[in-house]
Amino acid sequence: GENVEQHPSTLSVQEGDSAVIKCTYSDSASNYFPWYKQELGKGPQLIIDIRSNVGEKKDQRIAVTLNKTAKHFSLHITETQPEDSAVYFCAASSNTGGFKTIFGAGTRLFVKA
Amino acid sequence: DAGVIQSPRHEVTEMGQEVTLRCKPISGHNSLFWYRQTMMRGLELLIYFNNNVPIDDSGMPEDRFSAKMPNASFSTLKIQPSEPRDSAVYFCASSLPEGSREAFFGQGTRLTVV
Repeated sequence: GENVEQHPSTLSVQEGDSAVIKCTYSDSASNYFPWYKQELGKGPQLIIDIRSNVGEKKDQRIAVTLNKTAKHFSLHITETQPEDSAVYFCAASSNTGGFKTIFGAGTRLFVKA
Repeated sequence: DAGVIQSPRHEVTEMGQEVTLRCKPISGHNSLFWYRQTMMRGLELLIYFNNNVPIDDSGMPEDRFSAKMPNASFSTLKIQPSEPRDSAVYFCASSLPEGSREAFFGQGTRLTVV
């Protein structure tokens, strides 16, 4: 079945440094790749997404890259701040069978002040 | 719009009891998802609906779990009978299948079965 693998499971960085989270997916029909941020006691919230016809997308300090051939996609956070500390999930979705979205296991990011 | 609304926020029940979780999706969204989140297994997709029709329930762990969507503005996830290993946070999310396809999550229901 479809699977999304995410690494690392935990990431600790110093404030101001960059953080990179990597994911791979198995379903070649996947064409939409969102990233979600989950803060304590809340539901996941979309922070950025990328579609299969684009290789890179940037929004201020956050960027995502996609390599469809290798089925890899990554999240890059630059100039990290303590408020970036949260759990981040990657996900992959295809438009077959009604847009099923499969999530990675999550990365707990700690940004140390 | 108030976003996806889930109720209750917290539920504590005894093993063997029936539990019903409720979800009101965002108006106009026609895809609805139920997820279960645990430390061990992360976010698991249990079932999703498109236009009120269940499309894929392969994530539903056992026959004790059932979900319904009687209309576009309401869905339930029922566990009968409940077991301690069902303890988790259950999220409902809704989205539009076209356009942004962003899934909007509710605040979740924290279920504890003792």
